[in-house]
Amino acid sequence: GAVVSQHPSWVICKSGTSVKIECRSLDFQATTMFWYRQFPKQSLMLMATSNEGSKATYEQGVEKDKFLINHASLTLSTLTVTSAHPEDSSFYICSARPSGGAFNEQFFGPGTRLTVL
Amino acid sequence: QQPVQSPQAVILREGEDAVINCSSSKALYSVHWYRQKHGEAPVFLMILLKGGEQKGHEKISASFNEKKQQSSLYLTASQLSYSGTYFCGTEPNSGNTPLVFGKGTRLSVIA
Repeated sequence: GAVVSQHPSWVICKSGTSVKIECRSLDFQATTMFWYRQFPKQSLMLMATSNEGSKATYEQGVEKDKFLINHASLTLSTLTVTSAHPEDSSFYICSARPSGGAFNEQFFGPGTRLTVL
Repeated sequence: QQPVQSPQAVILREGEDAVINCSSSKALYSVHWYRQKHGEAPVFLMILLKGGEQKGHEKISASFNEKKQQSSLYLTASQLSYSGTYFCGTEPNSGNTPLVFGKGTRLSVIA
């Protein structure tokens, strides 16, 4: 149980294009999902908290107009990197917290490696 | 506030033990431990709630001292498969708040 999937697992795009990353909880419902980015050999940095049916909460320094988050259902959150630039290249990981879970566990997706040329 | 992990890196031979520490300057409700292998997402190991609980997962166990605001992860009789980067994630309260992760401890187990 507690499986989170991400799609795509990797993407290479040209500078200026937009990229959408999907995060799905496969066997549980998640009112809350989180989006992180991770640079090589660094920790996971929280970008935003995605809540089903409401606006995402972004961390300080994260541009909400550049990183669009939509949490349309209890099993799906999407992150769209708009007008991507080489500095946006990173490993993007989502995590989901089971609704009604007793211990606030978070389960991570396999990540999406974005390379912007 | 980001928790502080120590050591930053450790190299072990198979069968040796290791301890990884995670300290916070703020009061904690829970500590979560994850292991991440290169190029992969973090894998959940265990969660510890305030109350000084100690939990185990095979030969990996952890403790949580809420007074000291710190947690320790114990790896006994390490195996090659234990190699990876270990992260602790902390929660200040029981609300639906995101985890704040430490910088990680890189563990290498060699034959």
